[in-house]
Amino acid sequence: DAKTTQPTSMDCAEGRAANLPCNHSTISGNEYVYWYRQIHSQGPQYIIHGLKNNETNEMASLIITEDRKSSTLILPHATLRDTAVYYCIVLGDQGGKLIFGQGTELSVKP
Amino acid sequence: DTGVSQNPRHKITKRGQNVTFRCDPISEHNRLYWYRQTLGQGPEFLTYFQNEAQLEKSRLLSDRFSAERPKGSFSTLEIQRTEQGDSAMYLCASSLAFGLAGNEQFFGPGTRLTVL
Repeated sequence: DAKTTQPTSMDCAEGRAANLPCNHSTISGNEYVYWYRQIHSQGPQYIIHGLKNNETNEMASLIITEDRKSSTLILPHATLRDTAVYYCIVLGDQGGKLIFGQGTELSVKP
Repeated sequence: DTGVSQNPRHKITKRGQNVTFRCDPISEHNRLYWYRQTLGQGPEFLTYFQNEAQLEKSRLLSDRFSAERPKGSFSTLEIQRTEQGDSAMYLCASSLAFGLAGNEQFFGPGTRLTVL
């Protein structure tokens, strides 16, 4: 599976948009970009995924560049409860194991 | 609650003892995954099942580890002769197997193992 690169940590003010970048320059044509997050002492939680088009759901938006080498997860109005480690993962269309990197530790501050 | 459940939530054992964890996936999910997570690290894949079949095992899964999913529903993960290095959070996840669409995995709360 392709590897991803994310910043180690980010801060965001409560109520502002949080923009979390991810690089996946070796992604293959049939591989999706997935985002999960893990709040302290809980299991990871699925957020969103996409192939090439931008995606939006009730939790977040995913913007994938045209060359698919990078993406950005957007939390439009971050709250204190969004403080978590966010993982960007690339996965083939047959699914299977998730390979987690170090992720980005997002701290939302009042 | 129809989510993934894991039991026990916490386990403290002495080095050399055997431990067994149970995972109950979401009922219609045919894939079940086990991961291990140590402090400050992301989860690491251990093994996964599709129905009863164990499709992949990580090299992390030493001979002391065994996982089963006998009827394609719940799964157990057993660690024999535990070592202090086995101390970790053991996470279970389940999903539906899709051909072309997503592979959203739903995670349980985990079992925290402490080996003294």
